[in-house]
Amino acid sequence: QKEVEQNSGPLSVPEGAIASLNCTYSDRGSQSFFWYRQYSGKSPELIMFIYSNGDKEDGRFTAQLNKASQYVSLLIRDSQPSDSATYLCAVKGDNFNKFYFGSGTKLNVKP
Amino acid sequence: DTGVSQDPRHKITKRGQNVTFRCDPISEHNRLYWYRQTLGQGPEFLTYFQNEAQLEKSRLLSDRFSAERPKGSFSTLEIQRTEQGDSAMYLCALSGGTDSPLHFGNGTRLTVT
Repeated sequence: QKEVEQNSGPLSVPEGAIASLNCTYSDRGSQSFFWYRQYSGKSPELIMFIYSNGDKEDGRFTAQLNKASQYVSLLIRDSQPSDSATYLCAVKGDNFNKFYFGSGTKLNVKP
Repeated sequence: DTGVSQDPRHKITKRGQNVTFRCDPISEHNRLYWYRQTLGQGPEFLTYFQNEAQLEKSRLLSDRFSAERPKGSFSTLEIQRTEQGDSAMYLCALSGGTDSPLHFGNGTRLTVT
């Protein structure tokens, strides 16, 4: 069983819509959760992190965490074509050393 | 600027050759990680250093792989007797502490022919 699961997509949304990206994780002791954006051929770039249950907003991005359901999501409001990328969910394990990554969800924002 | 410089950006090598990658932190971070990423997959943990001590190694890191971080600054990752399955992006990343995120360098893309 994979530590972090994501739907591979592609997820297609029209420009200006809300994109919703989801992630589940298996380690109930996980404490820290991260979203990365990765453009083709580039390295992952940190978008947001969240540690507590609930929502955390940063500009057009909102991360949501539900530890009871072992579920993390990322909402992108007013999606732009430049948001088209693969979004990676990462979870830091209970031992605070390793980061586990999902396989990523590919997002296409259509003009 | 991610605070991490990796060299080379691309490396093409023939099967059986040895390759070495270098990671130079531009800023001070005591935790340095190596990850490997293949097409369509997320980064996979290879190894982790706290200062100069290599504290954890993945089972993915066979005896052909070795990593060092002398003096707790730059790090090198060497792959001996490369195989085609080693073709991937090798990512170096830094973290500042217990809850800090990873910040990746630009990566080294290895192609083994």
